[in-house]
Amino acid sequence: DQQVKQNSPSLSVQEGRISILNCDYTNSMFDYFLWYKKYPAEGPTFLISISSIKDKNEDGRFTVFLNKSAKHLSLHIVPSQPGDSAVYFCAATGDKTDSWGKLQFGAGTQVVVTP
Amino acid sequence: GAGVSQTPSNKVTEKGKYVELRCDPISGHTALYWYRQSLGQGPEFLIYFQGTGAADDSGLPNDRFFAVRPEGSVSTLKIQRTERGDSAVYLCASSLTAQSSYEQYFGPGTRLTVT
Repeated sequence: DQQVKQNSPSLSVQEGRISILNCDYTNSMFDYFLWYKKYPAEGPTFLISISSIKDKNEDGRFTVFLNKSAKHLSLHIVPSQPGDSAVYFCAATGDKTDSWGKLQFGAGTQVVVTP
Repeated sequence: GAGVSQTPSNKVTEKGKYVELRCDPISGHTALYWYRQSLGQGPEFLIYFQGTGAADDSGLPNDRFFAVRPEGSVSTLKIQRTERGDSAVYLCASSLTAQSSYEQYFGPGTRLTVT
């Protein structure tokens, strides 16, 4: 069963504008959420994370928002740059019935930033 | 410093053959993870090591898959009697410890093609 879902397989945004990526989860036991970025032929690279005790975490151009009641999180990239073109994965962990660090990933969203 | 490395980067094998995929984690990282990424999907957890022991192998799809980490550093994922459905990118990740960090550092992956 897919416990982490990214329902938008792709997103196209103009350079300088905001990119908003969405992620939904079904397991209420998750307490830590991460976003990874992946370029072709490379492994995923950690981008930003958020604990379930927070509703927002910001790092430079990247902000993650968590809405626990809706089991929804989003990643905002402002302003978008051409180098942001990549696949973005949402991941979750922390279900104490699972092992530490066992990440569950969504299917990813391909972001294309156009000039 | 050196990141996670995986060899080979590509492996083509015939159905029914045996393959070994190798992962070199970041030096000093005690936790090591294997994931499998099929086309259009996010990484799917296979197994996780804390030190030399497999702490959680619940993601291994069947008994054709086996992984070892005899000295607590390098790990080998072994697949017997390969099937076409095993074709995927196999990703390895490491973290300092499983409990201290959810942030996993991924290698570039091994693309396995079973013909």
